[in-house]
Amino acid sequence: DADVTQTPRNRITKTGKRIMLECSQTKGHDRMYWYRQDPGLGLRLIYYSFDVKDINKGEISDGYSVSRQAQAKFSLSLESAIPNQTALYFCATSRTGLQPQHFGDGTRLSIL
Amino acid sequence: AQKVTQAQTEISVVEKEDVTLDCVYETRDTTYYLFWYKQPPSGELVFLIRRNSFDEQNEISGRYSWNFQKSTSSFNFTITASQVVDSAVYFCALSGGSSNTGKLIFGQGTTLQVKP
Repeated sequence: DADVTQTPRNRITKTGKRIMLECSQTKGHDRMYWYRQDPGLGLRLIYYSFDVKDINKGEISDGYSVSRQAQAKFSLSLESAIPNQTALYFCATSRTGLQPQHFGDGTRLSIL
Repeated sequence: AQKVTQAQTEISVVEKEDVTLDCVYETRDTTYYLFWYKQPPSGELVFLIRRNSFDEQNEISGRYSWNFQKSTSSFNFTITASQVVDSAVYFCALSGGSSNTGKLIFGQGTTLQVKP
């Protein structure tokens, strides 16, 4: 089983819909991150969390919200999806801020 | 502000050629970490290496080697005797600062195509 699991793997939806992307991990890491990948732009940080009570905005948080339901679960929501949020989304975890991040397999989201 | 630049958007080589992927970074932090990740066609991100700002020793792991030079703010990645399985997008990333948040700043990525 994967250490960092993202669901769904693929999602196609319409403009204005509410979308939730889920991430769960079995690595026991406190830190969790959400990134989006766009062609030619690399990955950009949306939100990050140090623990259940500590959530922080990243570089591009507008239009997104997150929930850290437990140490192992970190969800990303798009309250009202728009086409320019079409991207590949990655969840990642790390033990500390200096350790490598371990990524899930990604969620490919298309908003029509 | 922190920034990572991978100027090579795409590189195409023939199998067995050596290839170097460039990474240039900007940071005002004195303590920072540099990373390389590989993204094969299947899409997952695979961690390759981490280097801290105080360790300028080059590293070799099999066909992979990394050259870290603080004087030029570069952390270049060389694949020796490339293979078709090396075809992927490679990302260089930077993390640093006294706050130790772990936030990664990624470069734009270099797409490497190795032809048989």
